[in-house]
Amino acid sequence: NAGVTQTPKFRILKIGQSMTLQCTQDMNHNYMYWYRQDPGMGLKLIYYSVGAGITDKGEVPNGYNVSRSTTEDFPLRLELAAPSQTSVYFCASTHPRGAGDTQYFGPGTRLTVL
Amino acid sequence: AQSVSQHNHHVILSEAASLELGCNYSYGGTVNLFWYVQYPGQHLQLLLKYFSGDPLVKGIKGFEAEFIKSKFSFNLRKPSVQWSDTAEYFCAVTPWDNNAGNMLTFGGGTRLMVKP
Repeated sequence: NAGVTQTPKFRILKIGQSMTLQCTQDMNHNYMYWYRQDPGMGLKLIYYSVGAGITDKGEVPNGYNVSRSTTEDFPLRLELAAPSQTSVYFCASTHPRGAGDTQYFGPGTRLTVL
Repeated sequence: AQSVSQHNHHVILSEAASLELGCNYSYGGTVNLFWYVQYPGQHLQLLLKYFSGDPLVKGIKGFEAEFIKSKFSFNLRKPSVQWSDTAEYFCAVTPWDNNAGNMLTFGGGTRLMVKP
């Protein structure tokens, strides 16, 4: 049982380039999330999904897009990379039976935009 | 909207010292509260969580947290830290009746270093 996996682990982009961060979970969780972690700022929610075909914006969605075609996968797309998107990105999932269920996190993707 | 503040950004302790990390939240209603830990090079893991009932919650590795509703606080404690507790600790909150996505709001984190 791999849990939540993310690829790549590290990536350096040039300004204006695009890329997709992959996230897969094998726990059959309905809810999935993308966060970014900046030093001293904690985690900020970018986008989330409550099921296949359903996505919604979080606190900091600008510059990102997501899709959810299957329960397992929740890719995050950066279309025009900017230095402000340099961060560590975490994907998480949960199968809520109530509002307080545990979110399970992936290992993260460290992205640098130069 | 809710918010979470963690007062200490960096804490340095010697082994066997006692630990208390502060966490305060702002939200007008009932909440669920969490502490997550991120060990160096690893992903976030749940340390403990509070839903309801006994306000003193015990988690893994000897950690505990106390929910004080009147103070909007959920401080994390450990009587005697070990070098292996070196990590970053995050407090998080979600409204109790959040059925629209179960989203967490995180504090800024506290980086703990334990000296051997």
